[in-house]
Amino acid sequence: GDSVTQMEGPVTLSEEAFLTINCTYTATGYPSLFWYVQYPGEGLQLLLKATKADDKGSNKGFEATYRKETTSFHLEKGSVQVSDSAVYFCALSPLSGAQKLVFGQGTRLTINP
Amino acid sequence: DTEVTQTPKHLVMGMTNKKSLKCEQHMGHRAMYWYKQKAKKPPELMFVYSYEKLSINESVPSRFSPECPNSSLLNLHLHALQPEDSALYLCASSRLAGATDTQYFGPGTRLTVL
Repeated sequence: GDSVTQMEGPVTLSEEAFLTINCTYTATGYPSLFWYVQYPGEGLQLLLKATKADDKGSNKGFEATYRKETTSFHLEKGSVQVSDSAVYFCALSPLSGAQKLVFGQGTRLTINP
Repeated sequence: DTEVTQTPKHLVMGMTNKKSLKCEQHMGHRAMYWYKQKAKKPPELMFVYSYEKLSINESVPSRFSPECPNSSLLNLHLHALQPEDSALYLCASSRLAGATDTQYFGPGTRLTVL
């Protein structure tokens, strides 16, 4: 079945460091891919999305590129801030049964000043 | 505007109580979802409504009863819950239920069952 694998956390970085959170997926065909962020005590917010191969999603300095050859959708940011501390979820929306978002386990990110 | 609202924000209930969670969106979305999220885990899908009709029930116990009175509103009725049902309950909506339709989440209701 469809699945998403994220790098294990927690991840701790210093402010202004470069961030990469790895995400790879297994799915039939070409699903849509998403990154959601969850700040402490809150719901999930859509961070960015890509719906086809080679698409790049970007928002708030975060970027991720849909790579079908490596089945990956890694999240990157050039210079993180303390306010980026949160849990990040990679997810896919399969072509069949599209209502069922498939989530990775989440990566907890802490940014120290 | 991509806002989904949920009430209440927090709920504490006993195992014999009956309560309801409410979710509302005014984006014209025709698909709405209930998820359950335990601590340090991703959300787990419970129910999906498409055009106000229940399209997916992920084998959720009958003590959880969803209702979609109209296209903007989604309720989750709770009865005879167990302490292990304590979790964050998230509502989401999307324009339609297709592969490219983004799900937008509400802030959640944090439920504690005593």
